[in-house]
Amino acid sequence: NAGVMQNPRHLVRRRGQEARLRCSPMKGHSHVYWYRQLPEEGLKFMVYLQKENIIDESGMPKERFSAEFPKEGPSILRIQQVVRGDSAAYFCASSWNRDSDEQYFGPGTRLTVT
Amino acid sequence: SQQGEEDPQALSIQEGENATMNCSYKTSINNLQWYRQNSGRGLVHLILIRSNEREKHSGRLRVTLDTSKKSSSLLITASRAADTASYFCATAQAGTALIFGKGTTLSVSS
Repeated sequence: NAGVMQNPRHLVRRRGQEARLRCSPMKGHSHVYWYRQLPEEGLKFMVYLQKENIIDESGMPKERFSAEFPKEGPSILRIQQVVRGDSAAYFCASSWNRDSDEQYFGPGTRLTVT
Repeated sequence: SQQGEEDPQALSIQEGENATMNCSYKTSINNLQWYRQNSGRGLVHLILIRSNEREKHSGRLRVTLDTSKKSSSLLITASRAADTASYFCATAQAGTALIFGKGTTLSVSS
């Protein structure tokens, strides 16, 4: 049973380009969370999705950032027109259901904006 | 907003010594979890303690929770060089995202 998969593991983008980060949850998990970790910081919640629904996006910047979790395929975190401040590690986690205590984390995608 | 705050920010000890890290939080919780992160890597779940529990053990790890003081501690006994990592506490209410602290960086020298 594969764990949470994220790709790419490393992504380099120039300022103004788009970044697409993918997350495949653990088998059987229908809830996905995205977190961002800036250097020397803890993880900060961005968005919580269930299949085809955004449940809570209170941690996501209002502009340039969007997330989806389609019926088929991985969850996508999309950052348009990236800026240097978007450089960070982006982690996704999945859980079995809304009331599940444990979230299982992927290895993260490290985004570098040059 | 930051919920959990770890203390100390950094801790350096010798192999074989015990390491204690503390975490304080602000609001009521369903559970509190501790994670480890090696440099440049993902998070590894260590232990979860529910709000109605006071103490929990897992191998060399011992976690306590004091809901009246809104604080938790993580004790690693007989530390090893491989325990060198950052340790984060995260709090959760049912069905919500985890709220992480900034972490304690532990360095264990041999």
